[in-house]
Amino acid sequence: NAGVMQNPRHLVRRRGQEARLRCSPMKGHSHVYWYRQLPEEGLKFMVYLQKENIIDESGMPKERFSAEFPKEGPSILRIQQVVRGDSAAYFCASSPGTGIGEQYFGPGTRLTVT
Amino acid sequence: KNQVEQSPQSLIILEGKNCTLQCNYTVSPFSNLRWYKQDTGRGPVSLTIMTFSENTKSNGRYTATLDADTKQSSLHITASQLSDSASYICVVSLEATNAGKSTFGDGTTLTVKP
Repeated sequence: NAGVMQNPRHLVRRRGQEARLRCSPMKGHSHVYWYRQLPEEGLKFMVYLQKENIIDESGMPKERFSAEFPKEGPSILRIQQVVRGDSAAYFCASSPGTGIGEQYFGPGTRLTVT
Repeated sequence: KNQVEQSPQSLIILEGKNCTLQCNYTVSPFSNLRWYKQDTGRGPVSLTIMTFSENTKSNGRYTATLDADTKQSSLHITASQLSDSASYICVVSLEATNAGKSTFGDGTTLTVKP
């Protein structure tokens, strides 16, 4: 059973470009979470999604950021018109949505904005 | 003020020694308290999950304790190994499945030296 997969692992974008980060949850998991980790800081929750639904986006910046988890395919975190402050590691986690909410994290995507 | 405070911020110990990391929280009541290990450049990996009613949970050389009265948790590492060098993160969740209702500590960075 493959773990949570994220791609790309590293992404370089110039200011003003768009960044698309993908997350494939573990098999059988229907809940996906996105987190951001700025350099030398802790993890910060961004958004919680289930298939075709955004459950909680209280941690998402109001502008330029969006997330989706379609019926088919991976979850996508999209950052439009990136700025240098968006440079960070973005982690995705998934859970089965039952029990006590054990989350399994992916290896992360490191976004660098030049 | 963060509702989950971890101490110390960083810690250096010699291989083979024991250590204890602290997590004080104000989030109450909560569904579960989790400890994660995050190696540099990797996603967090779950070490223990404790519900509100549990006092202790072990995972190999890792033992977590929870005192709901004083709102404190600790992670004890026995016979440390070089591979224990990592950041250890305490997370308190109001709800089992909604990470938007979780509060992350900033982590303790542990360095184990030979």
